Amino acid sequence: AAGVIQSPRHLIKEKRETATLKCYPIPRHDTVYWYQQGPGQDPQFLISFYEKMQSDKGSIPDRFSAQQFSDYHSELNMSSLELGDSALYFCASSLVDGGNYGYTFGSGTRLTVV
Amino acid sequence: AQRVTQPEKLLSVFKGAPVELKCNYSYSGSPELFWYVQYSRQRLQLLLRHISRESIKGFTADLNKGETSFHLKKPFAQEEDSAMYYCALSGPSNAGGTSYGKLTFGQGTILTVHP
Repeated sequence: AAGVIQSPRHLIKEKRETATLKCYPIPRHDTVYWYQQGPGQDPQFLISFYEKMQSDKGSIPDRFSAQQFSDYHSELNMSSLELGDSALYFCASSLVDGGNYGYTFGSGTRLTVV
Repeated sequence: AQRVTQPEKLLSVFKGAPVELKCNYSYSGSPELFWYVQYSRQRLQLLLRHISRESIKGFTADLNKGETSFHLKKPFAQEEDSAMYYCALSGPSNAGGTSYGKLTFGQGTILTVHP
């Protein structure tokens, strides 16, 4: 069965560079969530989209932006990267009543900023 | 504000022993509670959710609103249960809510089951 696809799997960037992470949700899922998990930390919610509109915003830095496209895939754009941005970024998708069905997570993108 | 607390960072048991992973939450309303599991080098997977009252891989969890707890239990642990377990909370499914669908995770508990 199709799962949530994230690309790339690993990414190494230098400080002050820009990175773009992509998330392809499960077909027919209309909601995408982005989470950031730093080393040894629990996942922190960044932002979510429902039907291509931002539905909620968490602790996402102003240097980051995200959007959901017409095919429901989402991209997380990160600019002026800092060492502290090194983390596992994973997305999840769900149906509109995702609270009843749970979430399906991608494997994540491991970003390393050097 | 919604908050999830897993007081145990590490939990070790022997195979065949009962295991209980604790989870407490705070939420001003009727939350939906989940347990997620992350096996080594794999993605997070939904283990179970309180509304379905199901048992997955021998695990059960009962929502206790009086104690605001959602502890995960298994009577006889197996070595393959060794993993990271996250308790998570979500606001009710309400498309009009601003925090709709957002999961708040606990800190996670690493369960190690020894042979």
